[in-house]
Amino acid sequence: KQEVTQIPAALSVPEGENLVLNCSFTDSAIYNLQWFRQDPGKGLTSLLLIQSSQREQTSGRLNASLDKSSGRSTLYIAASQPGDSATYLCAGGAQTGANSKLTFGKGITLSVRP
Amino acid sequence: DAGVTQSPTHLIKTRGQQVTLRCSPISGHKSVSWYQQVLGQGPQFIFQYYEKEERGRGNFPDRFSARQFPNYSSELNVNALLLGDSALYLCASSRASYNEQFFGPGTRLTVL
Repeated sequence: KQEVTQIPAALSVPEGENLVLNCSFTDSAIYNLQWFRQDPGKGLTSLLLIQSSQREQTSGRLNASLDKSSGRSTLYIAASQPGDSATYLCAGGAQTGANSKLTFGKGITLSVRP
Repeated sequence: DAGVTQSPTHLIKTRGQQVTLRCSPISGHKSVSWYQQVLGQGPQFIFQYYEKEERGRGNFPDRFSARQFPNYSSELNVNALLLGDSALYLCASSRASYNEQFFGPGTRLTVL
């Protein structure tokens, strides 16, 4: 059974700081790893998708890496801004037969102080 | 292109009632998945449908059911509501069952 862990649960940083959000998973048989952003009471916005054959993906100030052998993924946010304040969730995609599903961590709530 | 849409946005029900939540996928997407997110937790997988067939079910009781229509839209039904069913219900669509999933805004269900 896949378990995804995100530690710490909350993080507060000053504006402009570069930061890394960590995600660990127990089952390396994932076919992709997605990072999402969730604003309070809202749905999920997909930030980055890393296929199992890839090591990293970049979009603007965001860079995500994937190391299947160690069961870890990181989301790097450069030059953080107050608008980056949100909850960040990672999810591992696994396929069993015809079924595929995402297993989520509990998320890291990020606060960027002006 | 429109994203994933869900209706209603909010819903208040009492214990024992039944509820139906609706989801329209992104045009061209044939797979729809449903997730339940309780406050402070990550989303939990409920169902996946692809080409109108159930492809997977999470660890939820039989009070939860779903279906997918010929136009790939989907409904999630929950019977005999319990207080613990209060949550944000998220729908996600993808081109196929193993592709990147795109989420809708969710339906906030409150059970009193």
